[in-house]
Amino acid sequence: DIQMTQSPSSLSASVGDRVTISCRASQSIGSFLHWYQQKPGKAPKLLIYAASSLESGVPSRFSGSRSGTDYTLTIGSLQPEDFATYYCQQTYSTLYTFGPGTEVDIK
Amino acid sequence: EVQLVESGGGLVKPGGSLRLSCAASGFTFSTYTMNWVRQAPGKGLEWVASISYIDNFIHYADSVKGRFTVSRDNAKNSLSLQMKSLRAEDTAVYYCASLGFGFDYWGMGTLVTVSS
Repeated sequence: DIQMTQSPSSLSASVGDRVTISCRASQSIGSFLHWYQQKPGKAPKLLIYAASSLESGVPSRFSGSRSGTDYTLTIGSLQPEDFATYYCQQTYSTLYTFGPGTEVDIK
Repeated sequence: EVQLVESGGGLVKPGGSLRLSCAASGFTFSTYTMNWVRQAPGKGLEWVASISYIDNFIHYADSVKGRFTVSRDNAKNSLSLQMKSLRAEDTAVYYCASLGFGFDYWGMGTLVTVSS
């Protein structure tokens, strides 16, 4: 099975900060990597698909990139509504594993 | 408007069974691979099962294999998850989600609590 790791597990940031979250796959998954945002009590929301494509309706301050088996979600300028937990997920294999999540809270 | 609405959650004793349903509307359900994802209280997301749109490919997480069965009825735009031999660790909110480019649509979830 493909394992997904994320770092950090949590971070504190201020409005306006640039935030980066990392995700690593245990083996090559190409661009089959997606990012989700989840707020408490809500369903996850797709932000980035195929490593770097912005889902329709998602603000352009969110971006994704890939280097080998390392993936990065960047929030260009953190907004109050961005405080949430972020998950990566691979759909390369048919066991669609999620990363453990990164909680972004207010400094 | 795309909608996925889960139902069937509730309180069940360990060893018991429960059947979850997901009603889909607003998109061509029959052409999408559908999934169940769960989230235990205070924990992260765990993919549970998927069923391809042509029903030929079904996959399960190791944690539920042999106990859960996923099925779909394309005529009724419906997805189901039959859960048997439930354990305390199956307690979670269960979401259905469609696979487009990533899991692009999600329901609001239904809570399953396994407790005596």
